[in-house]
Amino acid sequence: QKEVEQNSGPLSVPEGAIASLNCTYSDRVSQSFFWYRQYSGKSPELIMSIYSNGDKEDGRFTAQLNKASQYVSLLIRDSQPSDSATYLCAVASAAGNKLTFGGGTRVLVKP
Amino acid sequence: DTGVSQDPRHKITKRGQNVTFRCDPISEHNRLYWYRQTLGQGPEFLTYFQNEAQLEKSRLLSDRFSAERPKGSFSTLEIQRTEQGDSAMYLCASSLVNSRLGYTFGSGTRLTVV
Repeated sequence: QKEVEQNSGPLSVPEGAIASLNCTYSDRVSQSFFWYRQYSGKSPELIMSIYSNGDKEDGRFTAQLNKASQYVSLLIRDSQPSDSATYLCAVASAAGNKLTFGGGTRVLVKP
Repeated sequence: DTGVSQDPRHKITKRGQNVTFRCDPISEHNRLYWYRQTLGQGPEFLTYFQNEAQLEKSRLLSDRFSAERPKGSFSTLEIQRTEQGDSAMYLCASSLVNSRLGYTFGSGTRLTVV
């Protein structure tokens, strides 16, 4: 079992719709969770972090965390073609000293 | 501060040659990480430093790979006797000790071994 799992996609959504991305992790003691966006040929850029159960909103992005189910999700509202990218879920180790990444979900927003 | 810098951006080398990459982190960040990413995969942890000390190295990392951060500032990653399987994007990232703030990645060095 991989430590951090994501559906590779592609997740195809029409412009203006909500894109919903999921991530599960295996280490129960992880405390910090991150979503990165990566455009093709570019390096990952941090878009959201979440540490507590529940929802965290930042603009069109909402991260959701459920530690009991070991599940993190990212919602992208009013999806735009510029949101087309790979979204990486990352989980901090219990010691907080490194991130483990999932394989990423490719999102395609169609005009 | 212009963020995390990596050099070179691209490197093509022949199998069996040695290569060295450089990373300059954000100046106030005392942690520096090296990751490797192949097409369609997420970044894979290689090693990290806190200041000049190398605190962890992936068990998957061949002994052909070595990293240094001699003065706690820039870091180098060397690959000896390169193999075609080493072809990948090598990403450097830096952070403060409190990684709850996440990492900042550099632009990466794309290595192609022919």
